[in-house]
Amino acid sequence: GEDVEQSLFLSVREGDSSVINCTYTDSSSTYLYWYKQEPGAGLQLLTYIFSNMDMKQDQRLTVLLNKKDKHLSLRIADTQTGDSAIYFCAASGGGADGLTFGKGTHLIIQP
Amino acid sequence: DTEVTQTPKHLVMGMTNKKSLKCEQHMGHRAMYWYKQKAKKPPELMFVYSYEKLSINESVPSRFSPECPNSSLLNLHLHALQPEDSALYLCASSQVASVLEDEQFFGPGTRLTVL
Repeated sequence: GEDVEQSLFLSVREGDSSVINCTYTDSSSTYLYWYKQEPGAGLQLLTYIFSNMDMKQDQRLTVLLNKKDKHLSLRIADTQTGDSAIYFCAASGGGADGLTFGKGTHLIIQP
Repeated sequence: DTEVTQTPKHLVMGMTNKKSLKCEQHMGHRAMYWYKQKAKKPPELMFVYSYEKLSINESVPSRFSPECPNSSLLNLHLHALQPEDSALYLCASSQVASVLEDEQFFGPGTRLTVL
């Protein structure tokens, strides 16, 4: 089955860019997602990318996909204290498939 | 309305109780999902309903019983749970009909504590 990996922690200074990385194993994954989870809350969809795209930009968020290396990244520009959360990478084959999630990356913002 | 709602937000139950979690969406989505998330872990898929039929059951114990009474509602009936079942239970929905609109929208979750 699919396996999604991401580093557990990332610490950045306020105002800098954050780059969260993710790798997946199933080359047939059609959709790749980034979710944000704040303490005690449910999951919030941040953005997603289709496997036939290389890049997607949405305001402060930029997603890069290297399909050959099965590598996905999320860049948050001008990181703010409100960005402090756990960020989950997830992959899906499309249709009514459930998602396979990575373990989540804790984004820590230093003042 | 682009929201998935879940009730209750918090639930505390004993091991002999019977309770139900409810999930609702009015986006016209035809797939609905239950996930279980333990503390500091990623969500794990439990069940998928597609067009009101159970399409995926990830070997979940029978003390969890899903029900999809119509395309907008998804319930999870709980009976004889164990303390290790304490977790955040997340509901999600997705369009299914169109490959271009397949993103999953998650509800806020029900935090369940089994005593």
